[in-house]
Amino acid sequence: SQQGEEDPQALSIQEGENATMNCSYKTSINNLQWYRQNSGRGLVHLILIRSNEREKHSGRLRVTLDTSKKSSSLLITASRAADTASYFCATDANTDKLIFGTGTRLQVFP
Amino acid sequence: EAQVTQNPRYLITVTGKKLTVTCSQNMNHEYMSWYRQDPGLGLRQIYYSMNVEVTDKGDVPEGYKVSRKEKRNFPLILESPSPNQTSLYFCASSLSGFETQYFGPGTRLLVL
Repeated sequence: SQQGEEDPQALSIQEGENATMNCSYKTSINNLQWYRQNSGRGLVHLILIRSNEREKHSGRLRVTLDTSKKSSSLLITASRAADTASYFCATDANTDKLIFGTGTRLQVFP
Repeated sequence: EAQVTQNPRYLITVTGKKLTVTCSQNMNHEYMSWYRQDPGLGLRQIYYSMNVEVTDKGDVPEGYKVSRKEKRNFPLILESPSPNQTSLYFCASSLSGFETQYFGPGTRLLVL
């Protein structure tokens, strides 16, 4: 079952630009999380935003959550080549497990 | 160092030959989970465990078994692997199912 859907599927930008990825989901949630995956490696947790929060920051990352639209966005500011990776959103759908989307592949060119 | 380890990291096997992929975590997490990742399909949960001796099916459990005899270990067993189980497998652990999950480095499996 697909709870989270990321958009776009792929994104290419130049270093220094901002990257925005979106996630839409279908059912109510306790929290929404964003993860990063470098090619073929394990996922790394970036940020968790709870259903009663609207915005959260962590370094160059900014996450927003709109529960009325069932959507979230991840903004990476001043991107670097090292930000090249796939980014996944994950939601719990008020269950005891996370459901991951299919991800956004971000390519940052030097 | 807090981590989730998996072994082996790479495995090539033949159809029908039983195999086990081990997973261990040192964070005293209650919750552990196995995922497979396939191109275009994202991560799909195979099995999860909320505590010792408690396991449950995820979204794609067919062809897999798990056990949770100790808190730190959660092996994935393929009794009779088939080519459609060729995939990248991840183990993860967390305090609970909907909190931050910590992933292992992955096991790339090829079934011939």
